[in-house]
Amino acid sequence: DIQMTQSPSSLSASVGDRVTITCRASQGISYYLTWYQQKPGKVPKVLIYAASNLQSGVPSRFSGSGSGTDFTLTISSLQPEDVATYYCQKDHSAPFTFGPGTKVDIK
Amino acid sequence: QVQLVQSGAEVKKPGASVKVSCKASGYTFTSFYLHWVRQAPGQGPEWMGIISPSGGSATYAQKFQGRVSMTRDTPTSTVYMELSSLRSEDTAVYYCARDQGSSGYDYWGQGTLVTVSS
Repeated sequence: DIQMTQSPSSLSASVGDRVTITCRASQGISYYLTWYQQKPGKVPKVLIYAASNLQSGVPSRFSGSGSGTDFTLTISSLQPEDVATYYCQKDHSAPFTFGPGTKVDIK
Repeated sequence: QVQLVQSGAEVKKPGASVKVSCKASGYTFTSFYLHWVRQAPGQGPEWMGIISPSGGSATYAQKFQGRVSMTRDTPTSTVYMELSSLRSEDTAVYYCARDQGSSGYDYWGQGTLVTVSS
């Protein structure tokens, strides 16, 4: 099975900082990668799909890039409401494996 | 409006089985794949499997092979997930989620808490 890893596992940054989260697949998955944001007590919410496509209604400070095995989620200017855990997920074909998550908070 | 409504919380003993239902409404049931995802307390989401509501075929995560079964009942627009040989590590909230089609999940059920305890 394809494994998904994320780094870092957690980070603390100041409001307005640029934040970058990395997701790596153990085998190439083309651009079939979805990024989710999850806040406590809520289900995950799609931010980015197909590696770089912004989901409707998601602020433009979120962006995604990458293909093959290496992917990046960037928050261009961290806001207090972005405190959450971020997960990547392999998409398109089974197994739809999730990454272990990156917890983001405000310094 | 699209809704996925799941069955209620369950408490099971180790070794037992649990069957969770997910009733879809507000869209054409056979047009979207449905997934089952679980989340243990304090942990990340874990993908369990996918079912095609139109054909009924299912694919499971390797971890659950032999222990999970996903089925659907088209007349009632309901999918089911049955997990057997339960152990304490299976304590989690189980969700059904609708696949948008290579763009993540757009709708989730409200979740079903399954507690495995002797």
